[in-house]
Amino acid sequence: GQNIDQPTEMTATEGAIVQINCTYQTSGFNGLFWYQQHAGEAPTFLSYNVLDGLEEKGRFSSFLSRSKGYSYLLLKELQMKDSASYLCAVFSGGYNKLIFGAGTRLAVHP
Amino acid sequence: DTGVSQDPRHKITKRGQNVTFRCDPISEHNRLYWYRQTLGQGPEFLTYFQNEAQLEKSRLLSNRFSAERPKGSFSTLEIQRTEQGDSAMYLCASSLVGPTTNEKLFFGSGTQLSVL
Repeated sequence: GQNIDQPTEMTATEGAIVQINCTYQTSGFNGLFWYQQHAGEAPTFLSYNVLDGLEEKGRFSSFLSRSKGYSYLLLKELQMKDSASYLCAVFSGGYNKLIFGAGTRLAVHP
Repeated sequence: DTGVSQDPRHKITKRGQNVTFRCDPISEHNRLYWYRQTLGQGPEFLTYFQNEAQLEKSRLLSNRFSAERPKGSFSTLEIQRTEQGDSAMYLCASSLVGPTTNEKLFFGSGTQLSVL
């Protein structure tokens, strides 16, 4: 079966660092994506990991451990505009389709 | 505008009516996905195409749902005999599959369906 777990909600303070965790159990694995989704808008791409390790892109970093079925998204120097849902998604299956977790709603406070 | 476009943005219909949504992907993309999303949930996979071939359809999808991509370009999603439980945001996404691409999906703004 397919199972992707992430916390439902998180809160953080402007300027701080927050880590959003994702664990997955899927039939096959061909890469993990993080997407950001503001309320009422479409998801937008943040990061992609296919090999173990850390991928850094500006204020955002994403980590993957395939042996543990685990990833995290790290957001540094939080800004109010980072308040959004963060979706963990895994490419799996014979034909390689993207399966999403339920998302983590992050609220950034002043 | 070279992004993914969806039409209409909003659709209100009465229970039992049929509705059809359209998606125009990014022109050079060969894969097209349909997802459904309800409030507080992540996008739920419905079906996807590579060119004009429908590769997979979710087992959760009833036979009231059908999708087509007749010429490997735009796609339509039809829901027959709509039910209140069909109310959701229907998202379309496209990607380019190839040996050197990581298949990043680009999403359209979605069609918000409300079934009364």
